[in-house]
Amino acid sequence: KAGVTQTPRYLIKTRGQQVTLSCSPISGHRSVSWYQQTPGQGLQFLFEYFSETQRNKGNFPGRFSGRQFSNSRSEMNVSTLELGDSALYLCASSSLPSASETQYFGPGTRLLVL
Amino acid sequence: AQTVTQSQPEMSVQEAETVTLSCTYDTSESDYYLFWYKQPPSRQMILVIRQEAYKQQNATENRFSVNFQKAAKSFSLKISDSQLGDAAMYFCAYRSARQGGSEKLVFGKGTKLTVNP
Repeated sequence: KAGVTQTPRYLIKTRGQQVTLSCSPISGHRSVSWYQQTPGQGLQFLFEYFSETQRNKGNFPGRFSGRQFSNSRSEMNVSTLELGDSALYLCASSSLPSASETQYFGPGTRLLVL
Repeated sequence: AQTVTQSQPEMSVQEAETVTLSCTYDTSESDYYLFWYKQPPSRQMILVIRQEAYKQQNATENRFSVNFQKAAKSFSLKISDSQLGDAAMYFCAYRSARQGGSEKLVFGKGTKLTVNP
């Protein structure tokens, strides 16, 4: 079974631009979560989707948004980029949004904002 | 809110030796899951081991085992017969099992493990 895939792997943007990151979960997985990883703040939860519905959202400004499609693929969007948005964005999938289900991570998208 | 603390920013071990990484957590919940994830230089997060809080028996996966002390809220990872490929950042993570609660992972800051040949 193929793992979680994320595209693009690397991205360079300038302040004020917007960006869209994509995540394709493991086949059969319907729950997708997003995390931001920075050297200062570590790994922080962004949001979680299941059946095209956002179930939970972390403590991030409204510039961060996401969605999930009927095939369980998910996208996250960051508008009006700031320098502090430079980070590794990780996507994780699980079969169901249950605590007992292990989340499997993708390789991440490294975003650099100049 | 739950918190996870990894008090050792860096650790080193000689190849073939044993090393233990520490993790403590704070929660008022009784039902939860604990995880150790490994992040090598490739940045891919890889699940190493998981522990269900309701299980008293410590989880083991080949050379990896945990010492889960629920009352002390401690969850350490022991790596036996360390290999060069074990070098990575190791993250301890907590996940609530509360019905209707968030299934998000709460991570510690990580421990960077170096394996010396």
